[in-house]
Amino acid sequence: KNEVEQSPQNLTAQEGEFITINCSYSVGISALHWLQQHPGGGIVSLFMLSSGKKKHGRLIATINIQEKHSSLHITASHPRDSAVYICAVTAYTGANSKLTFGKGITLSVRP
Amino acid sequence: EPEVTQTPSHQVTQMGQEVILRCVPISNHLYFYWYRQILGQKVEFLVSFYNNEISEKSEIFDDQFSVERPDGSNFTLKIRSTKLEDSAMYFCASSGGTGPHFGNGTRLTVT
Repeated sequence: KNEVEQSPQNLTAQEGEFITINCSYSVGISALHWLQQHPGGGIVSLFMLSSGKKKHGRLIATINIQEKHSSLHITASHPRDSAVYICAVTAYTGANSKLTFGKGITLSVRP
Repeated sequence: EPEVTQTPSHQVTQMGQEVILRCVPISNHLYFYWYRQILGQKVEFLVSFYNNEISEKSEIFDDQFSVERPDGSNFTLKIRSTKLEDSAMYFCASSGGTGPHFGNGTRLTVT
């Protein structure tokens, strides 16, 4: 059973700051997902990665397979980035297998 | 961009009643999932569905729950005889192999 841990639990930042959210997992995976959940509850997929690094706009996700660790970076943070950021993993059984979720990090970006 | 659609957005029901949560996955996706999130807790996997049958289910997904793809577009989750502890946000997701796409969720309140 894979355990997914995220840190820090809550995070408050000032607009413009560089933000890093971390995720670690306990068992080998086929892919790691970063998801965003807004107060209304909907979940949006940000990244799916199995190695290296991906970038989309101001968001950068990295993964270190050997260390079983991933980070999500937000550059030039903005109040609209305030949300819950969730790390989830899929097992070695395949990219279409279920997701195992972390608890999520609540990010608040102050203007 | 294609979306996963869930209805209703909010369902209130009395304990012991049956509810059906509905989802329209993205049309060319083959893998379908139900997840739930109890308030304040992490998202949990319920069941995955592929090729018109359940491919995996969690311990939560007991005889009280069932899933169906009654036609080519809908994917439903039925909860028989609801309990207070079934109150949660229920998310449908579908995948075409590049990661899951989530619906906005149905908030189920059992009174």
